[in-house]
This record gives sequence, C-alpha cells and structure tokens, in this order.
Amino acid sequence: EPEVTQTPSHQVTQMGQEVILRCVPISNHLYFYWYRQILGQKVEFLVSFYNNEISEKSEIFDDQFSVERPDGSNFTLKIRSTKLEDSAMYFCASSAEGNQPQHFGDGTRLSIL
Amino acid sequence: SQQGEEDPQALSIQEGENATMNCSYKTSINNLQWYRQNSGRGLVHLILIRSNEREKHSGRLRVTLDTSKKSSSLLITASRAADTASYFCATAANFGNEKLTFGTGTRLTIIP
Repeated sequence: EPEVTQTPSHQVTQMGQEVILRCVPISNHLYFYWYRQILGQKVEFLVSFYNNEISEKSEIFDDQFSVERPDGSNFTLKIRSTKLEDSAMYFCASSAEGNQPQHFGDGTRLSIL
Repeated sequence: SQQGEEDPQALSIQEGENATMNCSYKTSINNLQWYRQNSGRGLVHLILIRSNEREKHSGRLRVTLDTSKKSSSLLITASRAADTASYFCATAANFGNEKLTFGTGTRLTIIP
C-alpha cells in the first residue's frame, strides 16, 4: 500500500539554525499538509498546500516557516531560525482530494538544543 | 470543551471485550475522522464519516455520528492486544481543502 515517507526520522539542531524537513507524499495525491505534535499535546495543524500554493495556514505557521514542492515528488517544511519551542514531532500528510482521508507519515522528531 | 475532545482519556479492558470511545466537538463539520497512533509512530487513518452519515462500519470498527449533539463514538469489537494505541478524532470544517482539528485522544490498553 502506498505510504507517505518522511526524512529524517530524528533531527537535532542548534537553536537559531535552519532546518528542512522532507516528505514524499503518496504519488497521485493532490493535497499536502504539515502538522506538529509537541510531546504530550494534541496534533496541531500547520499548513495545507494545493496547486502549488498554500491554501490555509495556522497562527503557528509564522514567517519563520515555509513550505515548498520543489519537484513532482517532494514536499518540504523549512524553519528558518529554530527556537526551543519548535521541538516537536512533525507530521506530513497527503490526500487524494480535499474531502478524502489524510494519510500520515511516521513523522520527524525535531529536537532543538 | 475544545473542538475534538475524546473521553475517556484512558481506557483499559480485557482482550476480547468491546471498547467504546467518544468524541465531542463544537463547530459544524464536513466530516469527522478517527485515527490510531501507536507510541512514537504516525497516525493511521481508520475511518471517515461525513456529516450526512450516521453510522459506518469497517471490519471490527463501528463509528456513529450525531450532528445534533456534535458527538461521535468509535466502537472496537472483540479487542485484541494489537489494538493498544491512542485513538484520536479529527474534524474537518470545510469542504475542499480541509485542515483537521484533532482531539486530545483516548489511550486504549488491551490487557491480554
């Protein structure tokens, strides 16, 4: 069964550094999402992406965050200058259409030191 | 309560018993989805129920939706040790490009 894959599984970064989290969505899916889950807390929506542009973003997704689909297969989340509070599990998801189930990757655990 | 609140927060049952988890939400929805998360892993989609549906089945899973009460339930029948996980409901408010709003989750433990 097709899967969403995320790399790396764990990223450790110094505060203030830039980090790029990578995702390969399911190949025929058109909608892409990033969520995050701080340890012990709810899964929170960050951003949705369709037709090569952001369609919705949360208040968490400030100007330190950006997303890109650089080619036909990858979907990336960049955090420009990381803060301690960015430490979380980041999940990528994709769906065939907007009202279809979202399929999640196993996540990238981001640890900011 | 916040959008997507599950109860109970934790549930322990014997293998073979049925497990019922509930979810309440506050705003109108287009659909509601249930996910499972094993410790340290990603979210696995279980079932999606649309706002015009009242009940859906998938294998040992049964989901109900009551839009008048803004609530949903997930029933797992004949539980197995492998069902041990956290279960989340997530609501999608808009048709189309839908952000999911997740609940706090129910931690289900199946005792062999």
